[in-house]
Amino acid sequence: QKEVEQDPGPLSVPEGAIVSLNCTYSNSAFQYFMWYRQYSRKGPELLMYTYSSGNKEDGRFTAQVDKSSKYISLFIRDSQPSDSATYLCAMSVGDSGNTPLVFGKGTRLSVIA
Amino acid sequence: DSGVTQTPKHLITATGQRVTLRCSPRSGDLSVYWYQQSLDQGLQFLIQYYNGEERAKGNILERFSAQQFPDLHSELNLSSLELGDSALYFCASSVGSRSYNSPLHFGNGTRLTVT
Repeated sequence: QKEVEQDPGPLSVPEGAIVSLNCTYSNSAFQYFMWYRQYSRKGPELLMYTYSSGNKEDGRFTAQVDKSSKYISLFIRDSQPSDSATYLCAMSVGDSGNTPLVFGKGTRLSVIA
Repeated sequence: DSGVTQTPKHLITATGQRVTLRCSPRSGDLSVYWYQQSLDQGLQFLIQYYNGEERAKGNILERFSAQQFPDLHSELNLSSLELGDSALYFCASSVGSRSYNSPLHFGNGTRLTVT
């Protein structure tokens, strides 16, 4: 079992839809959770950052972490064509060492106008 | 624009050859990370340098090596190239040494094609 699993999609939705993107993980020591957005031919950029369980909202984006289920989600409200990109989840145990981020393979999202 | 500069953007070379990828981090960032991205493996961590010192090592092959120079730019050297090394290579930088609390800023990558 891979440490981080993410459905690769592609996911195609109409403009204005609510999008739900998800990752599951196997390492219960993960405490820091991130979502990165990667446009075609570009590097990933940090979108959301959460620590431990709970929700975090930033504009049209909401990140949720459920540590008991080892499941994280990113919701996009009122999706726009400009949201079309690949979304990668990333997580870390955040210990005193320097364990690197573990990334999911990414979900490709297309928002159709 | 993330402020991280990677050169070259594209590289086409033959099996058995050696190439060097270059990365200039954002101004003020002391950490440089190298990642390999392929369709089947996703984004794989290779190695991290912090202020000139190797800080963490991931799934980096022995044929690959990297260094960070006093001006903080970094180079990733790939030798004895194989077809399977064809991928996107990303450099990322951050202010601190810990990737979980110091956001990574990625460059736009170098696309390596080995023929």
